[in-house]
Amino acid sequence: EPEVTQTPSHQVTQMGQEVILRCVPISNHLYFYWYRQILGQKVEFLVSFYNNEISEKSEIFDDQFSVERPDGSNFTLKIRSTKLEDSAMYFCASSERGREAFFGQGTRLTVV
Amino acid sequence: GESVGLHLPTLSVQEGDNSIINCAYSNSASDYFIWYKQESGKGPQFIIDIRSNMDKRQGQRVTVLLNKTVKHLSLQIAATQPGDSAVYFCAENIYAGNMLTFGGGTRLMVKP
Repeated sequence: EPEVTQTPSHQVTQMGQEVILRCVPISNHLYFYWYRQILGQKVEFLVSFYNNEISEKSEIFDDQFSVERPDGSNFTLKIRSTKLEDSAMYFCASSERGREAFFGQGTRLTVV
Repeated sequence: GESVGLHLPTLSVQEGDNSIINCAYSNSASDYFIWYKQESGKGPQFIIDIRSNMDKRQGQRVTVLLNKTVKHLSLQIAATQPGDSAVYFCAENIYAGNMLTFGGGTRLMVKP
């Protein structure tokens, strides 16, 4: 069964460093998303991406964040200068029609 | 200050019993809803969805009920099994490609 894959599963970084979280969405999907979940809290939307551009973003997705689809298979989230409060699980999701979204297993980002 | 993490409502059921998990959604403009299951350390797993032109949809051992009048969604799990133990989230969506807005989640604990 096709699935969304994310790498790495766990990333530890020093405050102020840049991180890139990687995702391979399901191959025939057209809509891509990043969400995050701070430990013990609910899943929060960050950004959606369609037709090679950001279609929607939340207040969390400030200038420190960016997304890219560098080729036909990868979808990345970059955090330019990480802060302690960026520590969370980051989930990539993809959708064929922009409705049902399938999530990856997440990257646990720990900022120290 | 605010305590870290959500205090999730918890539903504890006996193995073999039926479970009903409830969700109140926020936006009357939402027209598509999904139930997700999240096991510890994993990403949200799609269970079942429903569009607003329906009030009931059945899957394998699961049924989703939608009451648009009171903005309420429920997930019924028949013959609950230990493997059903997880946190369950409802999510709502306004239009294709739009973000999913997640509810706070309910922890389901199945006693053998």
